[in-house]
Amino acid sequence: EVQLLESGGGSVQPGGSLRVSCEGSGFTFSDYAMNWVRQAPGKGLEWVSSISGNARTAQYADAVKGRFTISRDNSKNTVFLQMNNLRAEDTAIYYCAKGQAPFRYTFDFWGQGTRVTVSS
Amino acid sequence: EIVLTQSPATLSLSPGERATLSCRASQNISAYLNWYQQKPGQAPRLLIYDTSYRAPDIPARFSGSGSGTDFTLTISSLEPEDFAVYYCQQRSNWPWTFGQGTKVEIK
Repeated sequence: EVQLLESGGGSVQPGGSLRVSCEGSGFTFSDYAMNWVRQAPGKGLEWVSSISGNARTAQYADAVKGRFTISRDNSKNTVFLQMNNLRAEDTAIYYCAKGQAPFRYTFDFWGQGTRVTVSS
Repeated sequence: EIVLTQSPATLSLSPGERATLSCRASQNISAYLNWYQQKPGQAPRLLIYDTSYRAPDIPARFSGSGSGTDFTLTISSLEPEDFAVYYCQQRSNWPWTFGQGTKVEIK
């Protein structure tokens, strides 16, 4: 059974940093792209970032480029999202999602999400 | 960036009725269109991928169709558990984008 478990969310002041993590199980982690998708309170889904299985390729939404960094440790089946210079508009639930196949950005399994609140 | 526009924003129907949800893309995305269901307080769940393929364990009452720029998700006969928000998502071109969602509510 595929499982994704996020952690690391919390409250931070504007300009601060936070790192969220997602541990996967039930599949060969290194074979799949991993993704972060966020949802602001009462809003829709917004893709944030993706990283290939071998970590050679990372992509970012324009809204977070230059502030967020995605990485992964395949030995620990974990993907990370380092978030710097956080803004109020980054407040959201951050979901980790598994890619359906290598380089296929269909999100076939999702974690339960971790909440990030940016407020003074 | 490819913009996905979903309609209607809200669909009010009774259990047993047929639901038809639309997703229009701002440019041709071939068949690279997915549908997700999200219930309150839950993570999204993949329903349909690449326009018309049901994800594992998704009931046959869910079907998808379309190509190019116009896509449809149909729920043939609504069950109580189908009342939720539905999002379309394209994987044709980076950045991957979602529609704004259609809420299917009980009439």
